[in-house]
Amino acid sequence: QSALTQPASVSGSPGQSITISCTGTSSDVGGYDSVSWYQQHPGKAPKLMIFDVSNRPSGVSIRFSGSKSGNTASLTISGLQAEDEADYYCSSYTSSSTQVFGGGTKLTVL
Amino acid sequence: QVQLQESGPGLVKPSETLSLTCAVSGYSISSGFYWGWIRQPPGKGLEWIGIISHSGSTFYNPSLKSRVTISLDTSKNQFSLKLSSVTAADTALYYCARRILATAFDYWGQGTLVTVSS
Repeated sequence: QSALTQPASVSGSPGQSITISCTGTSSDVGGYDSVSWYQQHPGKAPKLMIFDVSNRPSGVSIRFSGSKSGNTASLTISGLQAEDEADYYCSSYTSSSTQVFGGGTKLTVL
Repeated sequence: QVQLQESGPGLVKPSETLSLTCAVSGYSISSGFYWGWIRQPPGKGLEWIGIISHSGSTFYNPSLKSRVTISLDTSKNQFSLKLSSVTAADTALYYCARRILATAFDYWGQGTLVTVSS
C-alpha cells in the first residue's frame, strides 16, 4: 500500500485559515468515510484531531474541521494559533482492511 | 484514564527479531477495540504496522506482513509486537495505541526507540 499524498509544508499567519490536503485512491480515501487526522508536536506522540472524515474527539478545538471530496480529504484549521504549529498526518482505511498514513505536513505559523 | 507503555530492547542486531510489549492500564484489552503498533523512523513520517482485536484477529501492513506478529496476553493486559529479520531500515520510534474506529487511535504510548545496529 502506498502512503497517502500530503504537501510537505504549509504556512499561515496567526488568525488565518489553512487547509492541508490528503490524496489517495478509490481503494482508500475515496472508498471509505474512514479518514482521520493527527497532530504531532516535536518529541510527542500523535494526537487524534479528526476521525471519520469530519468528527472531532471530545476536547479538540472547533477550529479544526475535516472534509472529503472524491479521493482527497482535507483538514482545515481556522483562526490559526502559534500552538497549532506541528506536523499533521492523515490516515485512511483501505480495501485490504488495513490502514495507511500520509507522508505528513509541517505547519508553520508565521 | 487509559494509559499505554511500550517496553523492550533499545538495540537489536541485524537479522535478529525485534520484540516489544505494550502494557495497558485503565482498560481491559479483552473488553473490546483493536490494539495497534505504529512506527516512525527518525525524522520521517508514521507507518502503520498492524493491529489485533480484543479477540485476537490480526491485520498487518502488507509490506511487513511476512515478518510481523502481533499477539495478546490478556492475563497481563498487554499486547506484543515481534518483527523478524530486522535491518537498519527498521530503526524507528515504535508506538502502541488503542484503535476505537477504523482509523482512529485515541490513546497512544509515549513511544520507544529501537535501533538496529551491530
